[in-house]
Amino acid sequence: EAQVTQNPRYLITVTGKKLTVTCSQNMNHEYMSWYRQDPGLGLRQIYYSMNVEVTDKGDVPEGYKVSRKEKRNFPLILESPSPNQTSLYFCASSTGTTKQETQYFGPGTRLLVL
Amino acid sequence: AQTVTQSQPEMSVQEAETVTLSCTYDTSESDYYLFWYKQPPSRQMILVIRQEAYKQQNATENRFSVNFQKAAKSFSLKISDSQLGDAAMYFCAYRSAGGGGGADGLTFGKGTHLIIQP
Repeated sequence: EAQVTQNPRYLITVTGKKLTVTCSQNMNHEYMSWYRQDPGLGLRQIYYSMNVEVTDKGDVPEGYKVSRKEKRNFPLILESPSPNQTSLYFCASSTGTTKQETQYFGPGTRLLVL
Repeated sequence: AQTVTQSQPEMSVQEAETVTLSCTYDTSESDYYLFWYKQPPSRQMILVIRQEAYKQQNATENRFSVNFQKAAKSFSLKISDSQLGDAAMYFCAYRSAGGGGGADGLTFGKGTHLIIQP
């Protein structure tokens, strides 16, 4: 089954404790992206990657890091989480060949930073 | 930068009736793509319908159709014969067709919460 998976689905942590949210897709997609969703703000892009070893900032990159060492994986790293990073996070992927291509979203990771 | 505005935080409709969700956007580009996504209580993001800006014909997917007015920068979603399973948050989204620097993903509106009354 074609899908985007994220782990963990739920995470409670404390300020300053480094964490990684994994994202993996099995569709051989070139383009991958991270979004955060906050009440009343919709979804905002954090980082994206056009291909392996190619990443770039989205609209709200502060406090986040990403890497793209393999085509299928695109982890989101919070080196020193803060309470304002409490949010619902989505990973998405698409073929990247044209921008009309549908972005497939993962199930979301709900993060609470205390 | 592009912006997407959904002016209706919440809409309510009777089951089997028709409802229209509004979306406007601001852009200086001529080539782009517009999307409607549905987010049910499970929080999964599900693509409902997609429109290419260069196409004059409005997109249709079963009970879902759009009214795309390029000059007015308007992209409304019409749901016919509303069903209980249509209850969800609906997000309008924009994606540039051009290249260049800057964020290269979807720009979302803040969403409209659709309630279906049985």
